[in-house]
Amino acid sequence: DAGVIQSPRHEVTEMGQEVTLRCKPISGHNSLFWYRQTMMRGLELLIYFNNNVPIDDSGMPEDRFSAKMPNASFSTLKIQPSEPRDSAVYFCASSLGTVGKHFGDGTRLSIL
Amino acid sequence: DQQVKQNSPSLSVQEGRISILNCDYTNSMFDYFLWYKKYPAEGPTFLISISSIKDKNEDGRFTVFLNKSAKHLSLHIVPSQPGDSAVYFCAASSSSNDYKLSFGAGTTVTVRA
Repeated sequence: DAGVIQSPRHEVTEMGQEVTLRCKPISGHNSLFWYRQTMMRGLELLIYFNNNVPIDDSGMPEDRFSAKMPNASFSTLKIQPSEPRDSAVYFCASSLGTVGKHFGDGTRLSIL
Repeated sequence: DQQVKQNSPSLSVQEGRISILNCDYTNSMFDYFLWYKKYPAEGPTFLISISSIKDKNEDGRFTVFLNKSAKHLSLHIVPSQPGDSAVYFCAASSSSNDYKLSFGAGTTVTVRA
């Protein structure tokens, strides 16, 4: 079975550019999570979707960040405009219900 | 505000010996605890969990112990194997917000041959 698929695996871009991270959850999972990992803050939850509906976006840092889940098999996390402090590894995870999260391999984002 | 703390950033252990990883938490509402393992360039993978109604859970070489009064849990790996070299994250959640995992900063384990 395919796991959670994230793309791209690496992204390097200049500050001010728009960045879009993509996630395909495991088929049949109804919960999707976006996490960010930094040296300073570790792994932190950005947003949680259940049945494609955002339930908790309290972890989204600011208005420059937005996330969508147009259908059960696809989600995006967008940063516009990007800043150097957004550099981190972004993980997507999915689960059936809220426990038993399966993580993707992450997108390493570098903003120059 | 880190609610889950792993105070040892790294641990080195000889192959065949026991690895003990520690984790402390501050939120008394936490009632479910998990350990994740992470290899470089991969996402975290679930290892073992424990509910607050238990004080021990064992799965093969991995055992998690929970001391609720001390707000402390530990992961024991015995015997340690080279493939256990990875970063281990402790995580916790409460039943009122069971989707929201709070993670520790991680402990890097190196198993020496």
